[in-house]
Amino acid sequence: DAGVIQSPRHEVTEMGQEVTLRCKPISGHDYLFWYRQTMMRGLELLIYFNNNVPIDDSGMPEDRFSAKMPNASFSTLKIQPSEPRDSAVYFCASTVAYGGPETQYFGPGTRLLVL
Amino acid sequence: AQKVTQAQTEISVVEKEDVTLDCVYETRDTTYYLFWYKQPPSGELVFLIRRNSFDEQNEISGRYSWNFQKSTSSFNFTITASQVVDSAVYFCALSGGNTGKLIFGQGTTLQVKP
Repeated sequence: DAGVIQSPRHEVTEMGQEVTLRCKPISGHDYLFWYRQTMMRGLELLIYFNNNVPIDDSGMPEDRFSAKMPNASFSTLKIQPSEPRDSAVYFCASTVAYGGPETQYFGPGTRLLVL
Repeated sequence: AQKVTQAQTEISVVEKEDVTLDCVYETRDTTYYLFWYKQPPSGELVFLIRRNSFDEQNEISGRYSWNFQKSTSSFNFTITASQVVDSAVYFCALSGGNTGKLIFGQGTTLQVKP
């Protein structure tokens, strides 16, 4: 079975441009998480969804970031406008909950560089 | 508040040495889950183990073993007879209640030299 799929794997853009990161969770998983990894802050949760509904977006850094999950098999994380400090690796993870936190399986990540 | 501390930033060992990676956590939840993930140089995050707060039994999987002690709020990870392929960043993580949110430690970079 395919794991979590993320695209693009690498993205280089200029400051002020819109960036859209995409994620396809593992089929049957009802939770989807977006994380960001930087040297300074480590791995931090940005937002997560349950059954396509955003549950907690307290980790989203500011209004320039938005995330959607239009259906069970697709989610996007958008940054508009992008800034150099947004440069990081963005991970998507999914899991299925059976009454308690189950293992989150991570995608390969999108390495974003904002010039 | 929940917190995970991995005090060892970097560890360097020679192949075949045993190495223990420390993880100390803080939580007020009575039910919680602990995880270890491996991040090799290629960058992906690979799941290694999940434990719940009611199961303090140590676990062994090949050269890997985990020691969970609630009394000291620790969940340490030992690699026996380390190999060069074990070189990676290892993350300990905590998930409390039913939210599923993972709180990660800062990671320990392990370098295994031939």
